[in-house]
Amino acid sequence: GENVEQHPSTLSVQEGDSAVIKCTYSDSASNYFPWYKQELGKRPQLIIDIRSNVGEKKDQRIAVTLNKTAKHFSLHITETQPEDSAVYFCAARTYTGGFKTIFGAGTRLFVKA
Amino acid sequence: NAGVTQTPKFQVLKTGQSMTLQCAQDMNHNSMYWYRQDPGMGLRLIYYSASEGTTDKGEVPNGYNVSRLNKREFSLRLESAAPSQTSVYFCASSAGLAGGAISYEQYFGPGTRLTVT
Repeated sequence: GENVEQHPSTLSVQEGDSAVIKCTYSDSASNYFPWYKQELGKRPQLIIDIRSNVGEKKDQRIAVTLNKTAKHFSLHITETQPEDSAVYFCAARTYTGGFKTIFGAGTRLFVKA
Repeated sequence: NAGVTQTPKFQVLKTGQSMTLQCAQDMNHNSMYWYRQDPGMGLRLIYYSASEGTTDKGEVPNGYNVSRLNKREFSLRLESAAPSQTSVYFCASSAGLAGGAISYEQYFGPGTRLTVT
């Protein structure tokens, strides 16, 4: 079945450094790729998303890149801050035959002050 | 505008008991979803409702049933709870297909932490 793999599972960076999280997906029909941030005990919240007809999208310190040929997409956070510490989930969504969103297993990001 | 609300926040059940998790949204969204979140496994889709009057199975539907009561409400029922159903359950909604366009962004509820002993 469809699968989304996410790496690394844990990432520790120094404040001010960049963080990169990578995901690969298996369903070539996937057409929407959101990223969610989840703080401890809270609900997931969308931080950025990209559709399959776009290669890159940026929102302040956060950017996402998509390589449809390789079925690979990445989250880039620049100038990291302690408040960026959280679990980040990638997901791939297809509308073929009905809604399906498959999530990666998550990356726990620690930003050290 | 409360967004997506869920009740209860916490629940402890004994094996074999039944219960219904409630979810409601006030954003006039067409699509609603139920996920479970287990440590280290991300979110897995249990059931979804693309629009009022329709429901479909997700990745892990066994042991669950759902009802799309109206456009606002989508409930999840455990008929005979098992320890393997101990998890955090999230409801979500998205605008879905509306006005000829599809909006995929999902808004999540605060979650229900369920323990089955």
